[in-house]
Amino acid sequence: SQKIEQNSEALNIQEGKTATLTCNYTNYSPAYLQWYRQDPGRGPVFLLLIRENEKEKRKERLKVTFDTTLKQSLFHITASQPADSATYLCALPYSSASKIIFGSGTRLSIRP
Amino acid sequence: ETGVTQTPRHLVMGMTNKKSLKCEQHLGHNAMYWYKQSAKKPLELMFVYNFKEQTENNSVPSRFSPECPNSSHLFLHLHTLQPEDSALYLCASRLQTGDDDYGYTFGSGTRLTVV
Repeated sequence: SQKIEQNSEALNIQEGKTATLTCNYTNYSPAYLQWYRQDPGRGPVFLLLIRENEKEKRKERLKVTFDTTLKQSLFHITASQPADSATYLCALPYSSASKIIFGSGTRLSIRP
Repeated sequence: ETGVTQTPRHLVMGMTNKKSLKCEQHLGHNAMYWYKQSAKKPLELMFVYNFKEQTENNSVPSRFSPECPNSSHLFLHLHTLQPEDSALYLCASRLQTGDDDYGYTFGSGTRLTVV
């Protein structure tokens, strides 16, 4: 079965630095990969989708890369701010496009 | 607000009770999902509905019973739950087309505690 691993449970960085989160998956290569943000007590919020034929995608201070050879996606937040503190989840389709599975998330803390 | 509304936000129930969770969206989405989120665990997919037809039951115990009367409403009926069923239950919806650029829209969840 497909497995998703997010590199670390928690990441603490200084405000203004670039935060880099990793998502690795096993088995088959998905057609796309998604990233979500989740704040405590709330549901995840969709941020970005990157397709297998896209190497990189950007949205404001966010950048996502997708390496199908390494079976890995990197999620970057540049010029990080305390308001970026949250748990970030990667997700990919599983067995059919109608459902996705999630990684366990990385809790990001940005200290002032 | 995300456009997906879940009620109640918090629920405490005894193991012999029967209760229902409600999810509502008026985003024009045609697929709806129930997920369970327990502490320190990834989100677990429970049920999938496409055009109000159930297309996935991810080996969920029968004490959880979903209902989707139309494309805008989704219920999760609960009965004789166990304390380990305590979790955050999340509803999500999605516009399913040939283009996969649409992510899932989640509600804020129902925090369920079984005592």
